[in-house]
Amino acid sequence: DTAVSQTPKYLVTQMGNDKSIKCEQNLGHDTMYWYKQDSKKFLKIMFSYNNKELIINETVPNRFSPKSPDKAHLNLHINSLELGDSAVYFCASSLGQPTGELFFGEGSRLTVL
Amino acid sequence: AQSVAQPEDQVNVAEGNPLTVKCTYSVSGNPYLFWYVQYPNRGLQFLLKYITGDNLVKGSYGFEAEFNKSQTSFHLKKPSALVSDSALYFCAVRDMTSNYQLIWGAGTKLIIKP
Repeated sequence: DTAVSQTPKYLVTQMGNDKSIKCEQNLGHDTMYWYKQDSKKFLKIMFSYNNKELIINETVPNRFSPKSPDKAHLNLHINSLELGDSAVYFCASSLGQPTGELFFGEGSRLTVL
Repeated sequence: AQSVAQPEDQVNVAEGNPLTVKCTYSVSGNPYLFWYVQYPNRGLQFLLKYITGDNLVKGSYGFEAEFNKSQTSFHLKKPSALVSDSALYFCAVRDMTSNYQLIWGAGTKLIIKP
């Protein structure tokens, strides 16, 4: 059983399109995250939800909108895609801030043409 | 400001030799420190963490890390490297002043040569 699963694994799309990435965790964790990893492998936190409440909302364009319908799901919707949005997006979850470690999904590689 | 530094972009080690991947940090208060590994085209995997207690922490795959408060370091070590240890390693520390956000190092690429 996959602990943190995200779909799709690959997205290739044109500039200006809208896309969504879905994430689900079956670990019973209370906190979920979206990270962006660029081509140089730097990790940047985008959003974090704790028990469905947004607790971290870093400086990302408002074209990016997270949605957490319940504790086990955190989706990411991106409007009006730009070339610079090309990256790998990772979903993660953890239990018990601040000591809990993060469990990551396998990533969704977004390519904007 | 809270920060994490991984001073080496890449570390090369011969198989069977000991390895060290360095990490230093700067945070307010007691640090909660983590190491993660990322294999090519995979998500990050948790290796080990220091929260409190013994300064030598043991983790997955035979890795360990030593917390040194005076040197503000948390170096990752393994006594005998395997080719399969080749991967990207990230050090991270919790920022207790900002919603417990993790502050990440830039990553160190570890290459183990047969």
